[in-house]
Amino acid sequence: KAGVTQTPRYLIKTRGQQVTLSCSPISGHRSVSWYQQTPGQGLQFLFEYFSETQRNKGNFPGRFSGRQFSNSRSEMNVSTLELGDSALYLCASSSEVYEQYFGPGTRLTVT
Amino acid sequence: GESVGLHLPTLSVQEGDNSIINCAYSNSASDYFIWYKQESGKGPQFIIDIRSNMDKRQGQRVTVLLNKTVKHLSLQIAATQPGDSAVYFCAEKGHTGNQFYFGTGTSLTVIP
Repeated sequence: KAGVTQTPRYLIKTRGQQVTLSCSPISGHRSVSWYQQTPGQGLQFLFEYFSETQRNKGNFPGRFSGRQFSNSRSEMNVSTLELGDSALYLCASSSEVYEQYFGPGTRLTVT
Repeated sequence: GESVGLHLPTLSVQEGDNSIINCAYSNSASDYFIWYKQESGKGPQFIIDIRSNMDKRQGQRVTVLLNKTVKHLSLQIAATQPGDSAVYFCAEKGHTGNQFYFGTGTSLTVIP
């Protein structure tokens, strides 16, 4: 079974731009969660989608948004990028409310 | 919100020795925990999990211990190998859905 895939793997954007990241969960998994990982803050939860509905949301500003499609694929969007948004963005999928598996991440650099 | 801490940010062990990585959590109502391994440039890799109705769970060369009285988790790696060198995170499941709270991580270095 293929694992969680994320595209693109690397991205460089300029401050003020917006970005969209994509995640394809493990086949059959309906839950997709997004995390931001930085050296200073560690792994922080952004939001979770389950069956196309946002089920949980972390403490991030409204510039961070997401959605999930009927095939469980998910996208997250960051608008008006700031330098502090530079991070590794990780997507994780679960078949139920346990056993969360991560993708390789998208490394976002904001200049 | 919950906070999950790690007792030691770095750990060095000799190849073949056993490793113990510790983690403290804050929410006594938490019912599920996962240990992850993250190698440089990769996403966290699921190692082993444990539910709060257990105090010990074993996998291949790994054992997780849960002490609910003092809100403490540990990951034991037997016969540590160079391939075990990585950062290890404990994660505590939140109240709803799949929101997890992660510790700051312990960097394990295995000395050949």
